[in-house]
Amino acid sequence: DGGITQSPKYLFRKEGQNVTLSCEQNLNHDAMYWYRQDPGQGLRLIYYSQIVNDFQKGDIAEGYSVSREKKESFPLTVTSAQKNPTAFYLCASSTHSGGKNIQYFGAGTRLSVL
Amino acid sequence: DAKTTQPPSMDCAEGRAANLPCNHSTISGNEYVYWYRQIHSQGPQYIIHGLKNNETNEMASLIITEDRKSSTLILPHATLRDTAVYYCIVRVVGMRDSSYKLIFGSGTRLLVRP
Repeated sequence: DGGITQSPKYLFRKEGQNVTLSCEQNLNHDAMYWYRQDPGQGLRLIYYSQIVNDFQKGDIAEGYSVSREKKESFPLTVTSAQKNPTAFYLCASSTHSGGKNIQYFGAGTRLSVL
Repeated sequence: DAKTTQPPSMDCAEGRAANLPCNHSTISGNEYVYWYRQIHSQGPQYIIHGLKNNETNEMASLIITEDRKSSTLILPHATLRDTAVYYCIVRVVGMRDSSYKLIFGSGTRLLVRP
């Protein structure tokens, strides 16, 4: 089955700890994205990457870091600098062929602070 | 960036058509209208998109007014599984030719009643 896999589904972070959220896709998509969603709110863009070894900050990048060493993978690290990390994190990918640029989303990771 | 305005909530009876409106009065000529939906605690799902012509697929129909300042998503025969938050999004083209990001507002919470 083709798709986007996020893991873990639930994650707990202790104060001062960095945690990494995994996102893997087997859709052969060039672009990948990370969004954050707070309760009752829409999605906000954290980082995005159009190609391997390249990524750009989104609207709320402070306290987060990413890497894109492989086309299939776009992990997100929530650093200790992110003072309010509790949220639902969503990863997406898209292809640019055909001009449609439709984003496909994973099932999400719910991060809570202990 | 073109903004969208949607009613916060709507309801309809199962089996009836659900008509979800969206205003995007500042949309520019080359921006598309996209619709996604998010079922509780899941990742958003692409529904449909269009530029100026009406569009239909297996999930829904999209009606865009001639001046493109508003659109309506139509679910022809709503089922209980269509209960979700529906997002109307105008595509923003990023700095690079092949990049774009989606700006998610708060959406419309659709409740389909038995």
